[in-house]
Amino acid sequence: NAGVTQTPKFRVLKTGQSMTLLCAQDMNHEYMYWYRQDPGMGLRLIHYSVGEGTTAKGEVPDGYNVSRLKKQNFLLGLESAAPSQTSVYFCASSRPMVYGYTFGSGTRLTVV
Amino acid sequence: GNSVTQMEGPVTLSEEAFLTINCTYTATGYPSLFWYVQYPGEGLQLLLKATKADDKGSNKGFEATYRKETTSFHLEKGSVQVSDSAVYFCALSSENRLAFGKGNQVVVIP
Repeated sequence: NAGVTQTPKFRVLKTGQSMTLLCAQDMNHEYMYWYRQDPGMGLRLIHYSVGEGTTAKGEVPDGYNVSRLKKQNFLLGLESAAPSQTSVYFCASSRPMVYGYTFGSGTRLTVV
Repeated sequence: GNSVTQMEGPVTLSEEAFLTINCTYTATGYPSLFWYVQYPGEGLQLLLKATKADDKGSNKGFEATYRKETTSFHLEKGSVQVSDSAVYFCALSSENRLAFGKGNQVVVIP
């Protein structure tokens, strides 16, 4: 019973490099989300998806892209990393909102 | 839009003390309300939830009651343990997502 799995768990990037964070869920959830967590800022929504093939912008989408080609996977891409993107990234998935989210364990990204 | 406000600042208390963390919300309609807990180095875990007015959510000794008249969902625990040290987030359902408060760090001293 894996739930929501994020890979990688840690990564250090140089400014300007690109990378993709992978989120996979095995609960057949329709909705998936990417958040970033920064000290004093709480959780901020980057992008989300309400179903396979759909994506939408959240509060802080600039500098990120996403794709949901398969229902179980939600990818977050950084095309040209910047130090301001140093953060902990969390993926979550859900059924209808009354049940709340299931979160992954996070990816700690440092951009130097 | 729908939003959640949590009390400012960390909470430090002694083991076996009573814990209250305030959460108030602004919403249209009838959102569901949640408390999440984040232990150091981990993701957020659902602690409890309530889906309609006057519902009481409870888990691991924590309780919160959905109060529509005061638009509140305060978290309480009667006797905290060191293992309850964590960050606690209040959240409410808003369209196709959850809106989170900024979280409260709780530190329990032996």
